[in-house]
Amino acid sequence: GDSVTQMEGPVTLSEEAFLTINCTYTATGYPSLFWYVQYPGEGLQLLLKATKADDKGSNKGFEATYRKETTSFHLEKGSVQVSDSAVYFCALSRDTNAGKSTFGDGTTLTVKP
Amino acid sequence: DAGVTQSPTHLIKTRGQQVTLRCSPKSGHDTVSWYQQALGQGPQFIFQYYEEEERQRGNFPDRFSGHQFPNYSSELNVNALLLGDSALYLCASRGRDRRTDTQYFGPGTRLTVL
Repeated sequence: GDSVTQMEGPVTLSEEAFLTINCTYTATGYPSLFWYVQYPGEGLQLLLKATKADDKGSNKGFEATYRKETTSFHLEKGSVQVSDSAVYFCALSRDTNAGKSTFGDGTTLTVKP
Repeated sequence: DAGVTQSPTHLIKTRGQQVTLRCSPKSGHDTVSWYQQALGQGPQFIFQYYEEEERQRGNFPDRFSGHQFPNYSSELNVNALLLGDSALYLCASRGRDRRTDTQYFGPGTRLTVL
């Protein structure tokens, strides 16, 4: 069945550092890929998505490129801020708009001033 | 415009009891999905409701059941609670335009089973 594997956390960075959170998936065909962010005490928020190979999703300075050849969707940001501290989840879905999604276990990011 | 709302926020039950969680979708949304998020893990899909019927189901036992009402709100029922049912239960809704509408999540209901 479908599965998503994220790099284990927690990740601790200093403000303005470069961020990479690795995500790889196992699935047949061409699923859609997503990154969600969860702030303390809140629900998940969609951060970005890509629906086909070589698509790049981007939002709020975060980017991720759908790499079919490496089955990866790594999240990157050039300069993190303290406000980016949260839990990040990678997910896939057969539905381009994430009807039924399979999630990774999340990566906790802490950014220190 | 209110987003997805869930009630209650927190709930404590004992083993063997039954629980009902509630979800109101974002305005204009007609499809509701439920997820279970155990501590330190990602959400796991329980089921999805559309037009008052269960349309998709994840790998959860029949103790987990649901309902969708004509106003699109939804309930998740769990019978014969086990300690392992302790988790954050998330509701997500999406709109009618399947081409463009992504799903929005509520803040969740924290269920503790003692």
